[in-house]
Amino acid sequence: DVQLVQSGAEVKKPGESLRISCTGSGYRFSNYWIAWVRQMPGKGLEWMGIIYPGDSDARYSPSFQGQVTISADKSISTAYLQWSSLTASDTAMYYCARHQSGTSSNLDYWGPGTLVTVSS
Amino acid sequence: DIQMTQSPSSLSASVGDRVTITCRASQSISGHLNWYQQKPGKAPKLLISAASSLHSGVPSRFSGSGSGTDFTLTISSPQPEDFATYYCQQSYSIPLTFGGGTKVEIK
Repeated sequence: DVQLVQSGAEVKKPGESLRISCTGSGYRFSNYWIAWVRQMPGKGLEWMGIIYPGDSDARYSPSFQGQVTISADKSISTAYLQWSSLTASDTAMYYCARHQSGTSSNLDYWGPGTLVTVSS
Repeated sequence: DIQMTQSPSSLSASVGDRVTITCRASQSISGHLNWYQQKPGKAPKLLISAASSLHSGVPSRFSGSGSGTDFTLTISSPQPEDFATYYCQQSYSIPLTFGGGTKVEIK
């Protein structure tokens, strides 16, 4: 079965750095894009960016370009989302999802989410 | 970026009522439109891809239609487990933007 397992909840202070992870199993991780989606408290879904673990090609939403870095290590079937300097506005749930490419492009499997809280 | 506008933002319905949610794109996206369901405290789940293709395991009371800029998600006879928030998403071009969501509540 396809599974995406995300790292645990984080509580950080403003200015700190953070990397969260998403580990895939049950499929060939290198061959599918992984997307990251933000959901701020009580708000809707925001597509942040996407990475192809096979060659680490990453694409970003303009809203998140320069604010986060998406990376992947195909040898351990894991994608990452990282911040160099967190702010309170980064407080949110972050989901990773497998991106199914092709004529019917969609996010077909999702991780359970990683809650990031940034507070002084 | 392509803007996705859902309406209504919320609605109340009784079990068995027909529910219709609309999604409009700011430019033509052909049939590159997906629908997701999200329940409180849970990750979203894919319901429909390519405007009208039901994802594996999704009940047939869900259906999608539309092309170009205007799309519809219909729940023919909502069951208690269908009361949730629904999001459309365009997969035509990066960034793959979502609509603002429609919360479907029990009347």
